[in-house]
Amino acid sequence: KAGVTQTPRYLIKTRGQQVTLSCSPISGHRSVSWYQQTPGQGLQFLFEYFSETQRNKGNFPGRFSGRQFSNSRSEMNVSTLELGDSALYLCASSLANGVTDTQYFGPGTRLTVL
Amino acid sequence: KNEVEQSPQNLTAQEGEFITINCSYSVGISALHWLQQHPGGGIVSLFMLSSGKKKHGRLIATINIQEKHSSLHITASHPRDSAVYICAVCDSNYQLIWGAGTKLIIKP
Repeated sequence: KAGVTQTPRYLIKTRGQQVTLSCSPISGHRSVSWYQQTPGQGLQFLFEYFSETQRNKGNFPGRFSGRQFSNSRSEMNVSTLELGDSALYLCASSLANGVTDTQYFGPGTRLTVL
Repeated sequence: KNEVEQSPQNLTAQEGEFITINCSYSVGISALHWLQQHPGGGIVSLFMLSSGKKKHGRLIATINIQEKHSSLHITASHPRDSAVYICAVCDSNYQLIWGAGTKLIIKP
């Protein structure tokens, strides 16, 4: 089975721009979670989608949004980028129960905001 | 005080040594994850626990719900075990709270 894939792997943007990241889960997995990893804050939970619905949300501003499609693929969007948004964005898929299931992580998208 | 505390923060050991990494948490949880992150960012889920003990190869994870404590053990450690090991708990609000990680270096 193919693993979790994320595109793009690297991205450079400037302040004020917006960005969309994509995550394709393992086939059969219906839950997709997104995380932000920075050196200062470590790993932080952004949100989790299941069956095209946001099921859980972390403590991030509304500039961070996401969606999930009927094939379970998920996208994350960040609008009005700030320097502090530079981070590794990881997505993880699981069968159905999100953070109470074993999660399988993608390689991440490294976003640099200049 | 962080809700999830890992110790030690850094650990250097010789190949073959028995390794223990600890995780203490202060919130009620429904599950606890141990993950491994290699340089370059790739994260691999090692265990998901809600009680007792799990073993996979040379890795053993235990959890004591009453004491709010979990340990990850590595037997017969090898340089390829060098990585950051992260403990994360799922709290009652279904949020994943992450520990800061333990950086493990195994010297040949």
